[in-house]
Amino acid sequence: AQSVTQLDSHVSVSEGTPVLLRCNYSSSYSPSLFWYVQHPNKGLQLLLKYTSAATLVKGINGFEAEFKKSETSFHLTKPSAHMSDAAEYFCVAANFGNEKLTFGTGTRLTIIP
Amino acid sequence: NAGVTQTPKFQVLKTGQSMTLQCAQDMNHNSMYWYRQDPGMGLRLIYYSASEGTTDKGEVPNGYNVSRLNKREFSLRLESAAPSQTSVYFCASSEELDRSSSYNSPLHFGNGTRLTVT
Repeated sequence: AQSVTQLDSHVSVSEGTPVLLRCNYSSSYSPSLFWYVQHPNKGLQLLLKYTSAATLVKGINGFEAEFKKSETSFHLTKPSAHMSDAAEYFCVAANFGNEKLTFGTGTRLTIIP
Repeated sequence: NAGVTQTPKFQVLKTGQSMTLQCAQDMNHNSMYWYRQDPGMGLRLIYYSASEGTTDKGEVPNGYNVSRLNKREFSLRLESAAPSQTSVYFCASSEELDRSSSYNSPLHFGNGTRLTVT
């Protein structure tokens, strides 16, 4: 069985400081991994995806994530937070078809001015 | 470029009423999905359509039916609404369902329908 654990339900950072959102996964196979962002009253938007080509993945809006197989982690980072980054972030694992996507429960990111 | 469009944006139903949620995509995607989002539970798949003419149950299909009307449109029907179906519903599409482990095409989501059943 596949599972995704987002280790923090809520993260607060000051504007201009680094962001770290943590995600661990469990899977029998090497999964595809995604981060999605959801702004209030909007659908989910793809930030970045990992599909085994490179362990460090760069996404939109300055976000990046590193796949660490030994730690079964796929943490999302950004060097400097902007107010517009305030949103909910979902880590997602995929194996053998999009009908088997596994979503984490989300991390709400708050940016302090 | 509209992407994935859902209607309505908001709906309030009484227990036992029926309604259909509409979804259309203009990206020529083959696969479409319906999810529900509930606090603290992430997204859960209700039904999906791998390609035009096919539909299959997801994780939480009870109380719902779907129709893949054509390649663009995928509707979700609640025949007899219950308070447990109060949720935010998202439609999504992807190029393919991708049943290989090496690649999964990402999902594109609509903005959701907020449904309350009283």
